[in-house]
Amino acid sequence: AQKVTQAQTEISVVEKEDVTLDCVYETRDTTYYLFWYKQPPSGELVFLIRRNSFDEQNEISGRYSWNFQKSTSSFNFTITASQVVDSAVYFCALSEYKGGGNKLTFGTGTQLKVEL
Amino acid sequence: SQTIHQWPATLVQPVGSPLSLECTVEGTSNPNLYWYRQAAGRGLQLLFYSVGIGQISSEVPQNLSASRPQDRQFILSSKKLLLSDSGFYLCAWPDRARNTIYFGEGSWLTVV
Repeated sequence: AQKVTQAQTEISVVEKEDVTLDCVYETRDTTYYLFWYKQPPSGELVFLIRRNSFDEQNEISGRYSWNFQKSTSSFNFTITASQVVDSAVYFCALSEYKGGGNKLTFGTGTQLKVEL
Repeated sequence: SQTIHQWPATLVQPVGSPLSLECTVEGTSNPNLYWYRQAAGRGLQLLFYSVGIGQISSEVPQNLSASRPQDRQFILSSKKLLLSDSGFYLCAWPDRARNTIYFGEGSWLTVV
């Protein structure tokens, strides 16, 4: 069975600090996808990134960066120079292809609070 | 362009009353559709998924049911709500062309 672990329940930082959100996953599939989603207080899920299991290159998008390490089954997310608008719950998710479609297994989320 | 919508956005229902949440997608055909629930302070749990009209798979035993009456319509229902049904419900659609999964706006259900 697939499993995603986000051990950090809540993180509080001061604005402009860097913060890393951890994600560890378990799967028996050789082909899979990993995702990060942001859930602001309004509730909708905002797609941030998708990474497939064959692409271990790290990615940077503005203040966001992701570190995918297959050897440790981790897909960590770093926000550089955090801002108050980054305050949200962040979910890591793992996708398996089953029954004709993709199904996401989510971690329990990390609540990030960025304060002035 | 492809979009996914769900409604109502918020709902307060008494225990024992029925429920109907609707999800529709636009700009695609024969989509796979999913219902997730997020209980307060917890992660997202897959409830149902559907690969086509009339085809429903349930992931967890529960008080809810789902139906797929039309290609781009996915409905989450209950005949009698329980307090434990409260939560945030999300409809999801995997976009195969972009290899990602999109979510509807979400429906906040409070059972009182």
